[in-house]
Amino acid sequence: DTAVSQTPKYLVTQMGNDKSIKCEQNLGHDTMYWYKQDSKKFLKIMFSYNNKELIINETVPNRFSPKSPDKAHLNLHINSLELGDSAVYFCASSQDGRGDEQFFGPGTRLTVL
Amino acid sequence: GNSVTQMEGPVTLSEEAFLTINCTYTATGYPSLFWYVQYPGEGLQLLLKATKADDKGSNKGFEATYRKETTSFHLEKGSVQVSDSAVYFCALLYGNKLVFGAGTILRVKS
Repeated sequence: DTAVSQTPKYLVTQMGNDKSIKCEQNLGHDTMYWYKQDSKKFLKIMFSYNNKELIINETVPNRFSPKSPDKAHLNLHINSLELGDSAVYFCASSQDGRGDEQFFGPGTRLTVL
Repeated sequence: GNSVTQMEGPVTLSEEAFLTINCTYTATGYPSLFWYVQYPGEGLQLLLKATKADDKGSNKGFEATYRKETTSFHLEKGSVQVSDSAVYFCALLYGNKLVFGAGTILRVKS
């Protein structure tokens, strides 16, 4: 029974396309996150939602838009994909908005050609 | 600013060797500190944490002690196994954000 799940696992697409990545958690947590991991394994926070409210919004191009329909789901939509968007995107969740003890999904590897 | 510095990898060890992965941090105040582990093809998992100075976090034979005087949180294990091969991330909690180090690849050979 997967705690934090993401779909799809792999995503290969052309420059300029629009794509979405979905995340769901069944832990009953209030807070969810999106991270980007680059090719050197460096991991950086992008966004966080607490009970459907945006609480962290790092310096990310506005082509990236998170959406949280309810506290168990956090989706990431990316417009006009660029080569530099190629990375692994991780969703995570935590009990509350303090950011302590985060549970990560398996990641979505996005490749932009 | 707040940052985490880890020793560069990869670290290659033989099975049953002693492991140390160094981690130092720069932060305002006294943040909580974490080690996360990422096995091949998987997401990160919390390995251990410490919330205040002199706390020792431990799990699965791994240990790390929060050293305020040296701003360090080094990860140690007395005897590594092949199954410990993974990427290890040191992190601090600043406000409600986790700030990660660059990760250290550990390879354990049988």
